[in-house]
Amino acid sequence: ETGVTQSPTHLIKTRGQQVTLRCSSQSGHNTVSWYQQALGQGPQFIFQYYREEENGRGNFPPRFSGLQFPNYSSELNVNALELDDSALYLCASSLFGRGNGYGYTFGSGTRLTVV
Amino acid sequence: GQQLNQSPQSMFIQEGEDVSMNCTSSSIFNTWLWYKQDPGEGPVLLIALYKAGELTSNGRLTAQFGITRKDSFLNISASIPSDVGIYFCAGTQGFGNEKLTFGTGTRLTIIP
Repeated sequence: ETGVTQSPTHLIKTRGQQVTLRCSSQSGHNTVSWYQQALGQGPQFIFQYYREEENGRGNFPPRFSGLQFPNYSSELNVNALELDDSALYLCASSLFGRGNGYGYTFGSGTRLTVV
Repeated sequence: GQQLNQSPQSMFIQEGEDVSMNCTSSSIFNTWLWYKQDPGEGPVLLIALYKAGELTSNGRLTAQFGITRKDSFLNISASIPSDVGIYFCAGTQGFGNEKLTFGTGTRLTIIP
């Protein structure tokens, strides 16, 4: 059983640019959630995808968008990058209906630095 | 965004000591979870709590879901070097695939 894999592991972008982060969900999981973890903070919920549609969103602006594909993998896109977007971006997969946090598996994250 | 209040922010202990940390919220949560995060890794679930007043153990770890549904604590007994890391509490307010609201974290360091 493979876990959650994220790519790339590290990324440096310039302010104003756009970035795409990728996540492959754990085998048997059909839901993907994205979290932003700023340095020294706990993760913050960005959004969740189920059946290729957004299924809940946190307090993030529309320049944060996502996709889920038929194989349940997902992308996080961020447009017009700002310095405050520098963070560890975590992807978590789960099986819908068995959440409550218990069934989440987190990836190791993508470290994004905006300069 | 909202973050749960977690204390202490950091702890420096000697190997073999017991550890206690807690988490409070101004809102009610229906599920409380405790995670550990190592450097360069994502959070890993340690204990999940689903019922107010519930006390659950996982090896040397014990956690409780507060009666008011607004707090939880985690105890680690007889700490060992691999306990080093950052511990986060998290809560969900509904049932099913709800978002996790995380605490601010407790960094545990073991002094040789």
